[in-house]
Amino acid sequence: KAGVTQTPRYLIKTRGQQVTLSCSPISGHRSVSWYQQTPGQGLQFLFEYFSETQRNKGNFPGRFSGRQFSNSRSEMNVSTLELGDSALYLCASRRTGAGELFFGEGSRLTVL
Amino acid sequence: AQRVTQPEKLLSVFKGAPVELKCNYSYSGSPELFWYVQYSRQRLQLLLRHISRESIKGFTADLNKGETSFHLKKPFAQEEDSAMYYCALSPMDSNYQLIWGAGTKLIIKP
Repeated sequence: KAGVTQTPRYLIKTRGQQVTLSCSPISGHRSVSWYQQTPGQGLQFLFEYFSETQRNKGNFPGRFSGRQFSNSRSEMNVSTLELGDSALYLCASRRTGAGELFFGEGSRLTVL
Repeated sequence: AQRVTQPEKLLSVFKGAPVELKCNYSYSGSPELFWYVQYSRQRLQLLLRHISRESIKGFTADLNKGETSFHLKKPFAQEEDSAMYYCALSPMDSNYQLIWGAGTKLIIKP
């Protein structure tokens, strides 16, 4: 069974640009969560999607948004990028009714 | 408020010494507790969860409801245990929405 796949793995953007990150969950997993990981702040929850609906949202500004498609694949978008958005963005999926999260390798975003 | 506290950002011990990574939580109900681990250049993965009561890679963690703790322990550290460790809590009524600690970086010295 393929694991959680995130694309792109690395990207460099400049301030003011926008970025879209993609996540393909494990087959059969309908829940997808997004996290921001930085050395200073650790893991910060962004949002969770289940069956194309946002179920939970973390404390991030509206520049951060996401969506989920009918095949459970998810995208997150960050608009008007700031230097502080440089981070590793992690996607995780899980089975319905199960607590264990399966993480992707992440998309490392650098904002210059 | 629901919170998970990992008081040590960095823990450094010698190979063969015992290891204890601390995790304290604040939650009034019955939580489910997890330890996740991230080895260098690898993805974050589940190490163990309290309901399974397993020992994984020699690590154990016991939920102490009186002290609201879920410390991770290993009697004899190995160099391959060097990693970032996160403690997480899932309130039972939250659709498994996890509350994460800040993480502890464990370094095992040869």
